[in-house]
Amino acid sequence: DGGITQSPKYLFRKEGQNVTLSCEQNLNHDAMYWYRQDPGQGLRLIYYSQIVNDFQKGDIAEGYSVSREKKESFPLTVTSAQKNPTAFYLCASRGGNPGNTIYFGEGSWLTVV
Amino acid sequence: DQQVKQNSPSLSVQEGRISILNCDYTNSMFDYFLWYKKYPAEGPTFLISISSIKDKNEDGRFTVFLNKSAKHLSLHIVPSQPGDSAVYFCAASANSGGSNYKLTFGKGTLLTVNP
Repeated sequence: DGGITQSPKYLFRKEGQNVTLSCEQNLNHDAMYWYRQDPGQGLRLIYYSQIVNDFQKGDIAEGYSVSREKKESFPLTVTSAQKNPTAFYLCASRGGNPGNTIYFGEGSWLTVV
Repeated sequence: DQQVKQNSPSLSVQEGRISILNCDYTNSMFDYFLWYKKYPAEGPTFLISISSIKDKNEDGRFTVFLNKSAKHLSLHIVPSQPGDSAVYFCAASANSGGSNYKLTFGKGTLLTVNP
């Protein structure tokens, strides 16, 4: 099946620990994104990458880091510097015709205790 | 500053009737607009989109209308079905087809379709 796979679906971490969320896509899409959703809020852009080995900060990049070493993979690390890390994290990639549609994975719930 | 606004947090309609979800934007550079549907604890699913060169796009029960002068778009669902109950997000981009493409989302509207 083609699609975007995020793992793990649920993750619990202690405060002060870094955690990495995985995102893999087999859609052959060049661009990938990380969004965060909080209750009652829209989706806010954390980081995005238009091509391998390149990425840009989104609106709320502080406390996060990413890498894009392969076209298929765009992992997100939530560092201890992120003040409110508990949220629902969504990975996405861009494709389609004319290439303006962003498709999302199933999301990962991160809870920091 | 919220560039994409969905001013109605929730909407309730009867099955078979029309659902109208509204979205306003402030950035005049936005040239491509999308609607997504989202269930709890799942990723958003793309529904329908519209380019700024059009004022209407239709796909089955879903129609999106764009009024550029008012910076307003709406999603019409007719007839509404109980399975349409979900949160609907409006999204916009200022660089359709470009290399720096990203979406700005509204906060969403929870649609409940009652049987």
